Order: sequence, then C-alpha cells, then structure tokens
Amino acid sequence: DAKTTQPTSMDCAEGRAANLPCNHSTISGNEYVYWYRQIHSQGPQYIIHGLKNNETNEMASLIITEDRKSSTLILPHATLRDTAVYYCIVRVPQGGSEKLVFGKGTKLTVNP
Amino acid sequence: GAVVSQHPSWVICKSGTSVKIECRSLDFQATTMFWYRQFPKQSLMLMATSNEGSKATYEQGVEKDKFLINHASLTLSTLTVTSAHPEDSSFYICSAIPGQGGRQLFFGSGTQLSVL
Repeated sequence: DAKTTQPTSMDCAEGRAANLPCNHSTISGNEYVYWYRQIHSQGPQYIIHGLKNNETNEMASLIITEDRKSSTLILPHATLRDTAVYYCIVRVPQGGSEKLVFGKGTKLTVNP
Repeated sequence: GAVVSQHPSWVICKSGTSVKIECRSLDFQATTMFWYRQFPKQSLMLMATSNEGSKATYEQGVEKDKFLINHASLTLSTLTVTSAHPEDSSFYICSAIPGQGGRQLFFGSGTQLSVL
C-alpha cells in the first residue's frame, strides 16, 4: 500500500506558484521522499527527491518538515505544461532493491 | 538523465494471442526493473519486480503465468502477456534503477495494449 496521502486535485493560475502537499506520517528514518509527475498517456517523469533537507533543482523545490511527516512540492512559476498528475512517493525497501508504490496522486490543473 | 526505452508504444491484438513488451535501459545497467499497469484515470499499480538473472517477484494478485517476465541481461527486461483477453487492455509501464543502490527510478514511455 502507498504510504502517502495527497489531495485529489488542485488548481493553479499560470505564472503563480503551485504548492502541492503530501502527508507521509509513517515514513522511516532511511526512506526518501520522491516526486514524479505524469502527463496523460506518458511514463512518469522524475521531478525531485529528498531525505530531510529541503531540495531545489531546475524544475521544483521540495520542502520537508522537520519531523519528516509531510512535504510540499513547489513549482515556482507554473505553466500550462505543468498540468499533470503529481505523485508523492516514499521509497519502500524490498530486500536488496527498492520499489516505488504509487498512491492516487494530485491532479494539478494550471489555468490560463 | 538516464533513458529507458519501451517498445512498442502501442499494440492491438486479438484475444488469445500473446504480446511481448520490451524495456531497455539505454545508457546504464539495471539489475532491477519494475513493471506497472495503469487503467484509465487510475494510478500506477506495481505488477512485479524484475531481477537480472533470477526469477521475478510478483505482487499479490498478479498471475505469474499470465504475465511472464524475463530479465536476461542488465539492459533488457521483457513482459509477455500470454493469451491476452480484453480485460488485459491497459497501459503498461516499465522502470529501472541505475546500478546498485541507485537513488532514482527512470520510467519508459509506456505501452498501450488493446485486446480485441
């Protein structure tokens, strides 16, 4: 089962920041938080990941609370092409390798 | 970033036939690959974990004789849907982790399977 909960949908105005929340209250100390997005009928695209420090890359910023029970993905200047389903995932260890279990994600709609 | 190639992008087949989907890591070696299935307007559902040189690990409820997985090399895993039926129509996606203990998972572009 997925270990994260996200709002089903969100709207954002083009050019504004999109803040997507995620709860992962049962996260373990060595588990990372990953964010992916999926545009219709395509494979998921990696956005960002983090353990406990805030992270930033060319696509987004990831803010993780100090207790690591929740995080927020920030798209600083949303564009129409950012309309997609965003998945917050906690890496679940599986023996020597790790698998990703997807929850339902948040459907972000960026409006003109 | 690393590239995972999935082929074919879409396939239409008759009920009762078998369909093979290929997943290749183009610029890295992947000891582990994952296969997902996605129905319309639903999330990705993990089907199985494919390990190079050993048997795949299937998730609960996934028929291993129905969905045959072969991971014969460090760059190729295949999923064969045997005796396909209309209910097997779905979007199938593979993913791979570079190297041992890699931190990031890369996804293929997916295969839309339609069984008539």
